[in-house]
Amino acid sequence: EPEVTQTPSHQVTQMGQEVILRCVPISNHLYFYWYRQILGQKVEFLVSFYNNEISEKSEIFDDQFSVERPDGSNFTLKIRSTKLEDSAMYFCASSGETSSEQFFGPGTRLTVL
Amino acid sequence: DAKTTQPNSMESNEEEPVHLPCNHSTISGTDYIHWYRQLPSQGPEYVIHGLTSNVNNRMASLAIAEDRKSSTLILHRATLRDAAVYYCILRANFNKFYFGSGTKLNVKP
Repeated sequence: EPEVTQTPSHQVTQMGQEVILRCVPISNHLYFYWYRQILGQKVEFLVSFYNNEISEKSEIFDDQFSVERPDGSNFTLKIRSTKLEDSAMYFCASSGETSSEQFFGPGTRLTVL
Repeated sequence: DAKTTQPNSMESNEEEPVHLPCNHSTISGTDYIHWYRQLPSQGPEYVIHGLTSNVNNRMASLAIAEDRKSSTLILHRATLRDAAVYYCILRANFNKFYFGSGTKLNVKP
């Protein structure tokens, strides 16, 4: 069964460093998403991506964040200068249509020290 | 701002139906209602979604109030594997998702 994969499973970084979180969505999907979940809190939408551009983003997704689909299979989230409050689980998801079922990856736990 | 409110937790007995409520009084006419659930240490998993009419699938049913300001996710026969956090979500604009704080469902054997 096709699935969304994410790497790494856990990333530890120093405050101020850049990190790139990687995702491989399901191959025939067209819509891609990033979410974050701070420990013990709800899931929060960051950004949606379609046709090689951002379609929606939340207030959390400021200039420190960027997304890219560099090669037609990977979908990346970059945080330019990490802050302590960026520590969270980051989930990637993909869907075939905009309002259909999203398939989530297992997440990357980001720890900023 | 589209938002949803849910009870923090609910409890059910195994094999009994469960009704998980969600209020979304600020919903606009084009917002879809989605439900996902999250098992411990996993990513969210799709349950069901709808716009105006009630919806049924193999996992659950979604009952949407006539004014669309609330909805209820119905699990017809809860099992121990249904123990999870259930999120009521509004999809607004084209592709922007607003998660509620979630209801933690505990299923007792």
